[in-house]
Amino acid sequence: NAGVTQTPKFRILKIGQSMTLQCAQDMNHNYMYWYRQDPGMGLKLIYYSVGAGITDKGEVPNGYNVSRSTTEDFPLRLELAAPSQTSVYFCASRSGQVQTGELFFGEGSRLTVL
Amino acid sequence: DAKTTQPPSMDCAEGRAANLPCNHSTISGNEYVYWYRQIHSQGPQYIIHGLKNNETNEMASLIITEDRKSSTLILPHATLRDTAVYYCIVNPNQAGTALIFGKGTTLSVSS
Repeated sequence: NAGVTQTPKFRILKIGQSMTLQCAQDMNHNYMYWYRQDPGMGLKLIYYSVGAGITDKGEVPNGYNVSRSTTEDFPLRLELAAPSQTSVYFCASRSGQVQTGELFFGEGSRLTVL
Repeated sequence: DAKTTQPPSMDCAEGRAANLPCNHSTISGNEYVYWYRQIHSQGPQYIIHGLKNNETNEMASLIITEDRKSSTLILPHATLRDTAVYYCIVNPNQAGTALIFGKGTTLSVSS
């Protein structure tokens, strides 16, 4: 099992450009999440999904879009990139059984907007 | 609003037990307490979780007070590799829709 795979690992964008951060998991997990982490800060929830075709906003959704067409994939779209979106982005998944509690995280995608 | 309160930083000597406190005075009866840690800039790593009974696994022990308003994560023999940010999280709802991370405690283990 590869677990949660994020691509790209690093990216530099110019202001106003758009891009998609990819996230894939091979654990057949229903729940998937996108978090961002600014330098020296904790993680903030951007969007999450409880299953294919279902997504919902987290704490900081503005400037982002998501889709969940398959169980495996949960891409995060940045439209009109701004310097405030410079951050490390983490994708995570869980099985959906609350008793297990364990979130599995990817290695992160480091985005710089100049 | 934050549902948990943790000290911003703690120090621990290598080989000693590290006891990390967490206050969650507004916890509901069906909410679990989760602990994660983040080493340097890696993705957070699950440590342990519990509802009301004390829990132990190969990484740590979780002690939850009887009134469930606070808990302590215990790393029995801290090593330098345990230096990390430790997050105490109370699940917003038992449906498990999302975990909200706070600022956590930065644990520094020194030799």
